[in-house]
Amino acid sequence: SQQGEEDPQALSIQEGENATMNCSYKTSINNLQWYRQNSGRGLVHLILIRSNEREKHSGRLRVTLDTSKKSSSLLITASRAADTASYFCATVDNYGQNFVFGPGTRLSVLP
Amino acid sequence: EADIYQTPRYLVIGTGKKITLECSQTMGHDKMYWYQQDPGMELHLIHYSYGVNSTEKGDLSSESTVSRIRTEHFPLTLESARPSHTSQYLCASSEYRGIKFEAFFGQGTRLTVV
Repeated sequence: SQQGEEDPQALSIQEGENATMNCSYKTSINNLQWYRQNSGRGLVHLILIRSNEREKHSGRLRVTLDTSKKSSSLLITASRAADTASYFCATVDNYGQNFVFGPGTRLSVLP
Repeated sequence: EADIYQTPRYLVIGTGKKITLECSQTMGHDKMYWYQQDPGMELHLIHYSYGVNSTEKGDLSSESTVSRIRTEHFPLTLESARPSHTSQYLCASSEYRGIKFEAFFGQGTRLTVV
């Protein structure tokens, strides 16, 4: 069953603004990952944060993880129209089994 | 760019036809997956494999079948396509375990059954 849940389901912002997406999960995890999907394409891995990490940065991306609340957030700073896509969180359990994806957040960045 | 390829990208086929969706990866990954995704919706795992001769059903019941005869190849077959099978099918691969346990996705096959 799917355990990752993102909110909001859809987000529309102006270019230059920051976009924040949240993800909640239900069980213990080994790591949490964020992926991006352009319309009609496959998913592309963005960033991975391990269960013993609290924050991670990669370029304009900042990910936080709160294992006590079983939640994570993805912040995209200074958004661009090219950031328009769906963003999914995925969890991997401690047995290293399958990726469990949430329903995704559809981000629209308006020029 | 991930070295994982799906063919065809688009397929329109009549009800009752048998189809095979191809997926190949050149990264030597042991683990491979098939996900079904309706437009703008979440991914549902329908099949996965730990390696050659290993196939498992995923969380979402599917009438499709898979095979894993070679490490690099993980085709999905529908014996008799129906309109309810219309969807996007995404293939992915990953290392079985390890520090960098991330999934690499193909571009997907968009299937329409008429």
